[in-house]
Amino acid sequence: DTGVSQNPRHKITKRGQNVTFRCDPISEHNRLYWYRQTLGQGPEFLTYFQNEAQLEKSRLLSDRFSAERPKGSFSTLEIQRTEQGDSAMYLCASSPADYATNEKLFFGSGTQLSVL
Amino acid sequence: GEDVEQSLFLSVREGDSSVINCTYTDSSSTYLYWYKQEPGAGLQLLTYIFSNMDMKQDQRLTVLLNKKDKHLSLRIADTQTGDSAIYFCAESFSGGYNKLIFGAGTRLAVHP
Repeated sequence: DTGVSQNPRHKITKRGQNVTFRCDPISEHNRLYWYRQTLGQGPEFLTYFQNEAQLEKSRLLSDRFSAERPKGSFSTLEIQRTEQGDSAMYLCASSPADYATNEKLFFGSGTQLSVL
Repeated sequence: GEDVEQSLFLSVREGDSSVINCTYTDSSSTYLYWYKQEPGAGLQLLTYIFSNMDMKQDQRLTVLLNKKDKHLSLRIADTQTGDSAIYFCAESFSGGYNKLIFGAGTRLAVHP
């Protein structure tokens, strides 16, 4: 078990550029979440996938943000026309689907985005 | 509404107990969690408590839940320097999946 893997660890970009992050969840986990964490704050929910289906999107996820999980395994989060306010740590988490018991989220180490 | 509040900073001496407090607003929360985040790292699940329990102990960690006051606390016994980190309280809901709402985190500093 290698845990949740996120790439890249750090991304520096200029305002207006597009960026894409990747998340590889734990292999048997069919639920995948994206969170955003700004400095001094807790993580904020962005979106959730059950297998390949995107079942909820936060209103924080503007039209410039898009997330995919095409085969129900890895996921990508793309931000178009980045703005300085997008600078944050983007965290991915996964969990197995189990309605009967507590569902624990396993987080990756995140991708730190800096928009200049 | 959904809101989780924590005090921002706690400083303790090595060997003492630490108590980190959290309040939440949504009484329909099913589970409440404590996560730990070290610098440059993701979040590590420390422990959790089901909403119909009032206490849970796990080695040096004790979680107390006062559902009436919507108050959650995490006590760390014999605090060590390796416990220095940011601790996040989070609540979840029974909506069929585990959407977590996090507090802003409490930074725990352990000094000799």
